[in-house]
Amino acid sequence: AQKITQTQPGMFVQEKEAVTLDCTYDTSDQSYGLFWYKQPSSGEMIFLIYQGSYDEQNATEGRYSLNFQKARKSANLVISASQLGDSAMYFCAMREGEDNYGQNFVFGPGTRLSVLP
Amino acid sequence: DAGITQSPRHKVTETGTPVTLRCHQTENHRYMYWYRQDPGHGLRLIHYSYGVKDTDKGEVSDGYSVSRSKTEDFLLTLESATSSQTSVYFCAISGIGTSGSYNEQFFGPGTRLTVL
Repeated sequence: AQKITQTQPGMFVQEKEAVTLDCTYDTSDQSYGLFWYKQPSSGEMIFLIYQGSYDEQNATEGRYSLNFQKARKSANLVISASQLGDSAMYFCAMREGEDNYGQNFVFGPGTRLSVLP
Repeated sequence: DAGITQSPRHKVTETGTPVTLRCHQTENHRYMYWYRQDPGHGLRLIHYSYGVKDTDKGEVSDGYSVSRSKTEDFLLTLESATSSQTSVYFCAISGIGTSGSYNEQFFGPGTRLTVL
């Protein structure tokens, strides 16, 4: 069974608008972490944002915020004021288990975001 | 940026030959990971290490072995490469280290491997 689901293979957004990338996850662990990564066409993986399962507030990092809805098992990434440089693949990932334990990281298939001028 | 290098960055080899990919870090992070990335699959974990000589299997470990004799180096070996192992391989690190990062994985630049 898919542990990380990203239902949007591709998305378009107009420059300066906000966009939400969907991510749902499946785990029976009480403690887990959720991550978003960006992969531009150059190929490197760039960490964007992290949300712990016990964090009560949604994580934010600059223009990135993570809309964490624990009961629905969703961890959507919101990018505000999109920029042309945001065009990339975006991966949602989950680490099951306690913080600071090397655990199995599971990645979703990714969403390709294209920002239109 | 975390100091992670991978070597080689590109390799073309023939079916049946052994291949070793190297990941080197300068961050003193405890955990190291090997992933492969294929179209439509995102990243899939091959093996990870939680300390020197401590390793464990990931989702797609068949056909791969790893070794970690020093904190800074994590080797991925394909004992007998097959065409299905053509992929982009990423190394990653995480854990408390000199950078102070805790809940992140830092990725290396990737190695593109082609098995003919």
